[in-house]
Amino acid sequence: QKEVEQNSGPLSVPEGAIASLNCTYSDRVSQSFFWYRQYSGKSPELIMSIYSNGDKEDGRFTAQLNKASQYVSLLIRDSQPSDSATYLCAVNYGSGNTGKLIFGQGTTLQVKP
Amino acid sequence: ETGVTQTPRHLVMGMTNKKSLKCEQHLGHNAMYWYKQSAKKPLELMFVYNFKEQTENNSVPSRFSPECPNSSHLFLHLHTLQPEDSALYLCASSQEVGLAGDLSYEQYFGPGTRLTVT
Repeated sequence: QKEVEQNSGPLSVPEGAIASLNCTYSDRVSQSFFWYRQYSGKSPELIMSIYSNGDKEDGRFTAQLNKASQYVSLLIRDSQPSDSATYLCAVNYGSGNTGKLIFGQGTTLQVKP
Repeated sequence: ETGVTQTPRHLVMGMTNKKSLKCEQHLGHNAMYWYKQSAKKPLELMFVYNFKEQTENNSVPSRFSPECPNSSHLFLHLHTLQPEDSALYLCASSQEVGLAGDLSYEQYFGPGTRLTVT
């Protein structure tokens, strides 16, 4: 059974702080990893993708990937109340471009003013 | 949201009804997907279509019947559903799947159809 694990939270951080969201996955051959943001009552919105070990930065967001540890994380710097949402980790199932994403349960982030 | 549209946005149906969900993508993609999102469960992949051909059926009951007439349109036909099928049904699209060495096939979601089965 291929799995993606996330702490459901809620993760509560003060405005301006760094929020750290973590995800582990079980499929060792997975090569593509994605973070989606989902506001309550809305559909998931892609915010980051990462394919290689290391860090990838996009504005206030940094994705980190460690394939050896089967671990992917998302850092949100200078957190804003508008960042309050559920963050979904998604992992490609299988080697290469299969189109089959396995999603985690999601971590709810609350940014308090 | 305008890249992938879904209709209807809300649907209430009885267990004996037949209805269809529609998805359209305007992104020039060739792969389309149906997902189910139930309360307190992870997003579940249901079907994958690549260039109109179904490449994945994730053990979905036959009361859900997908149809992909072209790369821009995807339907999900529903019949004799159960109350536990009530969920948010999401459509997504991406570049084609299966390209050797290509990992960057980001999926973009539509707004979803909130389905309630009574």
